[in-house]
Amino acid sequence: GAGVSQSPRYKVAKRGQDVALRCDPISGHVSLFWYQQALGQGPEFLTYFQNEAQLDKSGLPSDRFFAERPEGSVSTLKIQRTQQEDSAVYLCATREAGNTGELFFGEGSRLTVL
Amino acid sequence: AQSVTQLGSHVSVSEGALVLLRCNYSSSVPPYLFWYVQYPNQGLQLLLKYTTGATLVKGINGFEAEFKKSETSFHLTKPSAHMSDAAEYFCAVRGGSQGNLIFGKGTKLSVKP
Repeated sequence: GAGVSQSPRYKVAKRGQDVALRCDPISGHVSLFWYQQALGQGPEFLTYFQNEAQLDKSGLPSDRFFAERPEGSVSTLKIQRTQQEDSAVYLCATREAGNTGELFFGEGSRLTVL
Repeated sequence: AQSVTQLGSHVSVSEGALVLLRCNYSSSVPPYLFWYVQYPNQGLQLLLKYTTGATLVKGINGFEAEFKKSETSFHLTKPSAHMSDAAEYFCAVRGGSQGNLIFGKGTKLSVKP
């Protein structure tokens, strides 16, 4: 596609539910990042993939957060047993090969946990 | 470790006035610096970036930024604000070998008619 596509755009979950957020990268983009953006804050790094390999997951806040990119294209961020503090916008960003190029961001998935 | 500080969470200017959004960074290596803009309910869009070379960087929509190593700053400016510039602006520094970005907390720009 022309840009990074994320779905769903909006998700409301009851506390304790599991959620899955999807990211479709720009075709051919090797690098994929997930960020969490709390209300009124800047994006904070969660995890990084190069193709299908998850090379950095140091930003994942707890073991309830899990990300995968099994075929090196679409990625899914899963949050188990959601808590209120998980409410945020989750942004996906992708980049061509190399580590100096521009990151292209999707519009984000806004998660609200009640 | 790299970090970014944006001074002023909210800046308000009149239409036609100078826009100045401040960013200071900390980096243990020569920095790559970025400014992104975010409109409501949208993702981030790159305004401009500094990697190497010329320290005055021009971006889209008439914005520019100057890298000042001695001041560890990368302030964003625009000579004349338009109503359409109202948005949130984020300064970022590249951190780590993967080219991950570390963002500041953002500055919300309001433009008064």
